[in-house]
Amino acid sequence: DAGVTQSPTHLIKTRGQQVTLRCSPKSGHDTVSWYQQALGQGPQFIFQYYEEEERQRGNFPDRFSGHQFPNYSSELNVNALLLGDSALYLCASSRDSLGTYEQYFGPGTRLTVT
Amino acid sequence: QQQVKQSPQSLIVQKGGISIINCAYENTAFDYFPWYQQFPGKGPALLIAIRPDVSEKKEGRFTISFNKSAKQFSLHIMDSQPGDSATYFCAATYSGAGSYQLTFGKGTKLSVIP
Repeated sequence: DAGVTQSPTHLIKTRGQQVTLRCSPKSGHDTVSWYQQALGQGPQFIFQYYEEEERQRGNFPDRFSGHQFPNYSSELNVNALLLGDSALYLCASSRDSLGTYEQYFGPGTRLTVT
Repeated sequence: QQQVKQSPQSLIVQKGGISIINCAYENTAFDYFPWYQQFPGKGPALLIAIRPDVSEKKEGRFTISFNKSAKQFSLHIMDSQPGDSATYFCAATYSGAGSYQLTFGKGTKLSVIP
């Protein structure tokens, strides 16, 4: 049973550029959440997608946007990159139909902005 | 405003000893409290979780103790092993959030020395 997968593993971008990160949820899961983890910190909630719509959003600017596809996979887009966007971006999946609280994380994408 | 406070930041324990990590929360609406384990370069892995209707939950060497009146919960790792060396995060969420977004503590880096 494949767990949550993310791509790419690492990414280096320049300030002002745009980036797209990808996530495939665990088999049987229909909900995808994105988190940002700065070095030495706990993950912070960016937003969650369910039924191809953004269901809830954390305290992140509009430069952060996302999308969910019919197969439940998801993308995170960040525009106008800032140095402070350098972090590990984590995708977590869950199964909404069970009302489950359990979220399973992928390995993350390490984004470095120079 | 940090809603989940975790301590200590780092912990060194002898092999075979007991590791104890504490968390305190502010939002009384929280009704699910998971612990995640994260190894370097990996995403957080769900370790064990508890709901506030029970005071203790044990899974193998891992035990969560929960004190609702004090708004505190803790992770105990019995017979700690070098392979337990990782960063541990407590988290909290509630169904009223709609998305079950997780609010994390800042993490505890555990080192188990032989």
